[in-house]
Amino acid sequence: TQLLEQSPQFLSIQEGENLTVYCNSSSVFSSLQWYRQEPGEGPVLLVTVVTGGEVKKLKRLTFQFGDARKDSSLHITAAQPGDTGLYLCAGALQGAQKLVFGQGTRLTINP
Amino acid sequence: DAGITQSPRHKVTETGTPVTLRCHQTENHRYMYWYRQDPGHGLRLIHYSYGVKDTDKGEVSDGYSVSRSKTEDFLLTLESATSSQTSVYFCAISDQLAGVSGANVLTFGAGSRLTVL
Repeated sequence: TQLLEQSPQFLSIQEGENLTVYCNSSSVFSSLQWYRQEPGEGPVLLVTVVTGGEVKKLKRLTFQFGDARKDSSLHITAAQPGDTGLYLCAGALQGAQKLVFGQGTRLTINP
Repeated sequence: DAGITQSPRHKVTETGTPVTLRCHQTENHRYMYWYRQDPGHGLRLIHYSYGVKDTDKGEVSDGYSVSRSKTEDFLLTLESATSSQTSVYFCAISDQLAGVSGANVLTFGAGSRLTVL
C-alpha cells in the first residue's frame, strides 16, 4: 500500500492543453516535494511546499499543498513537449523522520 | 558538473552472483542513500548512511548490504543477486536527513540499471 497515491499514473495530452496531477494521502506531512525525472537520469527537485494551503508557481507550473497537509497538486498550463517526463511527489511524514515517494505520473506531451 | 556519480551505469548478471554498485560524491554531504525504482512503486529506500561507518536500514533492505568507509563513497552490495533485484538503483545525497526538514533537498545520481538473469 502506497502512503502517497499519485493520479493519474499515466497521462498523454496534446501540446497547449492544461493538466493537473494529484498526490494524496491519509497521513499528514510536514513538507512535500515534487521531482521531475527524465529518461536515463535521476529525479530533480522542482519545488518544496511546507505550509498548509501554500501555492508556489514555477513559470507554467503551479504547486499547491492542501490545507490539512495531506495532499498536493501540480497544475501545468499550456503544456509543452519539454514538460514530458516522470513526476514524483515525496512527503516528509510528520513526526517520523521519513521521506516517502508516490508511484509517479508519467506525462507525455504530444506536439 | 555532476556532484554525484554512480558506477556501473548498466550491469547484467546471473542469479546467485555478488554485485556491488558504487556511489561517489564530491559535495561533502553527510547523508547518502540508496533507492530502487520499479514501475508502480516509485522510489523505495534500501539503506542510508549518516556518516562514515554509520548506516541504517530502509524499507526494502532485505538482500542488500552497504558500506561507507569514506565520506565520498557509499557502496551497495547484493551478496547473492536474485531476479527480484532487477531494478534501477539510485544513489542520493543530502546535507540534512531526508524527511526531517522541509528545506532538505535530495540530489540524485543518474542511476544504475541492474538486470539479474
